[in-house]
Amino acid sequence: EDQVTQSPEALRLQEGESSSLNCSYTVSGLRGLFWYRQDPGKGPEFLFTLYSAGEEKEKERLKATLTKKESFLHITAPKPEDSATYLCAAPMNTGFQKLVFGTGTRLLVSP
Amino acid sequence: EPEVTQTPSHQVTQMGQEVILRCVPISNHLYFYWYRQILGQKVEFLVSFYNNEISEKSEIFDDQFSVERPDGSNFTLKIRSTKLEDSAMYFCASSGTGRDQPQHFGDGTRLSIL
Repeated sequence: EDQVTQSPEALRLQEGESSSLNCSYTVSGLRGLFWYRQDPGKGPEFLFTLYSAGEEKEKERLKATLTKKESFLHITAPKPEDSATYLCAAPMNTGFQKLVFGTGTRLLVSP
Repeated sequence: EPEVTQTPSHQVTQMGQEVILRCVPISNHLYFYWYRQILGQKVEFLVSFYNNEISEKSEIFDDQFSVERPDGSNFTLKIRSTKLEDSAMYFCASSGTGRDQPQHFGDGTRLSIL
């Protein structure tokens, strides 16, 4: 069964304290790995797409990387405004349209 | 920046009633989706829609649900005979064609069934 698993469930950081979030997947024939940010009461906001093992993408303090079995979202010197739930998702093997989401990592950055 | 818009933001309905959730996808997108998120749970795929027909649907999307693109800009989800367990956030998303096109989500409709 195609699955996406994220860890940790919650992460509390001090401002400036770098860390990484993990997303492991068991989707056969991976067609991409997506990272989203979700603020309370809002929809998922697209951050990155990764397609190939070894691929990296960056946006401000965030960098996403991909291996054959997992993806990491590295947060460098986070600020309080980076507090959110970070979701990863992968398309199911049946097609590119049905995204399977992980449960997310709730990140809280304290000043 | 273009965005997906959803109305209403919150819908309260009596059990057994029908509801219609509305979405305006990004204008040049061709794929449209509905997802739902029950409080504290994962975002779950319901249905995808392309070229005026359903292209994929989950086991959740049974005869109680239907989707429609009534005109060139709106995309709707109808839920008939609502049940308490239909209470959730419902997200609409859209994407362009091609493997490099991510799905962009609206801010959702919170559906509360009483």
